[in-house]
Amino acid sequence: GAVVSQHPSRVICKSGTSVKIECRSLDFQATTMFWYRQFPKQSLMLMATSNEGSKATYEQGVEKDKFLINHASLTLSTLTVTSAHPEDSSFYICSAITGNEIQPQHFGDGTRLSIL
Amino acid sequence: GQNIDQPTEMTATEGAIVQINCTYQTSGFNGLFWYQQHAGEAPTFLSYNVLDGLEEKGRFSSFLSRSKGYSYLLLKELQMKDSASYLCAVMDSNYQLIWGAGTKLIIKP
Repeated sequence: GAVVSQHPSRVICKSGTSVKIECRSLDFQATTMFWYRQFPKQSLMLMATSNEGSKATYEQGVEKDKFLINHASLTLSTLTVTSAHPEDSSFYICSAITGNEIQPQHFGDGTRLSIL
Repeated sequence: GQNIDQPTEMTATEGAIVQINCTYQTSGFNGLFWYQQHAGEAPTFLSYNVLDGLEEKGRFSSFLSRSKGYSYLLLKELQMKDSASYLCAVMDSNYQLIWGAGTKLIIKP
């Protein structure tokens, strides 16, 4: 149980393109989803937290107009990187939890984004 | 500020035992998580400690001392597939997860 699916797994596109990444909880209701970014040989950096039906809470330094997050249902959250540039190239990972109890986050498989 | 420290890299031999340490300084404490992350993949949950002591789960064990702000992950009977990064993460008083930079474990035959 507690499976999170993330698509696409790999994206290569030109600078200026907008890229949408989907994160789905397959067998549970994801009341809260998290979006992380990870640069090579570094740890996870939380970008934003989203609760179903609410606006996402962004971490300091993360541009909300550049990284659009939508969590319209209990099973789907999307991250759109708008007008992506080479410096946005990174490994993006989503995770999800259900309810308010302390619990491990269940991670998607990640999306490797490469902007040329 | 909040801080999680763990060694950057460790090397161990197949079949041996290795201990990966994690020290933390956070605003409050609501538990400590260990995750395993293979290169290019997402983290997978290993253990959660909120009370002092040792939690054993197969070949992996995790220990916590809240008074010392210290935890370790113990891996026994190491296998080549255990080569990965091990991430320590602490949940603070606001239920935010503070992530360590991870320890890259290299297993040699």
